[in-house]
Amino acid sequence: GDSVTQMEGPVTLSEEAFLTINCTYTATGYPSLFWYVQYPGEGLQLLLKATKADDKGSNKGFEATYRKETTSFHLEKGSVQVSDSAVYFCALRPIIQGAQKLVFGQGTRLTINP
Amino acid sequence: DSGVTQTPKHLITATGQRVTLRCSPRSGDLSVYWYQQSLDQGLQFLIQYYNGEERAKGNILERFSAQQFPDLHSELNLSSLELGDSALYFCASSVGGGAGDTEAFFGQGTRLTVV
Repeated sequence: GDSVTQMEGPVTLSEEAFLTINCTYTATGYPSLFWYVQYPGEGLQLLLKATKADDKGSNKGFEATYRKETTSFHLEKGSVQVSDSAVYFCALRPIIQGAQKLVFGQGTRLTINP
Repeated sequence: DSGVTQTPKHLITATGQRVTLRCSPRSGDLSVYWYQQSLDQGLQFLIQYYNGEERAKGNILERFSAQQFPDLHSELNLSSLELGDSALYFCASSVGGGAGDTEAFFGQGTRLTVV
């Protein structure tokens, strides 16, 4: 079945460091791909998305490119801030006629130290 | 604020009991989704309703049931609760319900603790 595998955390970085969180997926066809972020005590917020191969999603300095050949959707940011500390989830939306659901990875906890 | 409202925020109950979690979707959204977030299983899709009808079912136990009412709010009923049902339950909503490109917005969740 459809699945998402993302790098295990926790990840701890210093402010202004470069961030990469790896995400690979298994799915039939061309699912849509997402990164969600969960700040402490809050629900999930959509960070960025890509709906077809080679699309690049970007938001708040974060980027991820839909790579069909490597079935990957790695999240990157050039210079992280303390406020980026959160749990990040990679997810895919399978192609299901008449329905939607999201399949999530396990989440990666990111801590940025000043 | 996503516009999705979940109540209650926290719930503590004993094993064997039954609870009801409530979700009000964003205005205009026809689809409601329920997810369970637990330490061992991660985020798991439970069920989707679209305009009052069940659309998709995931890893939802037989002890759990859901419905969506004519005003589009949804309830998730959990019965014969076990310790392992302790989790954060999220509701999400979206405008559409098919495979189109519509974003799902998540509520803040209900944290259920079974003791």
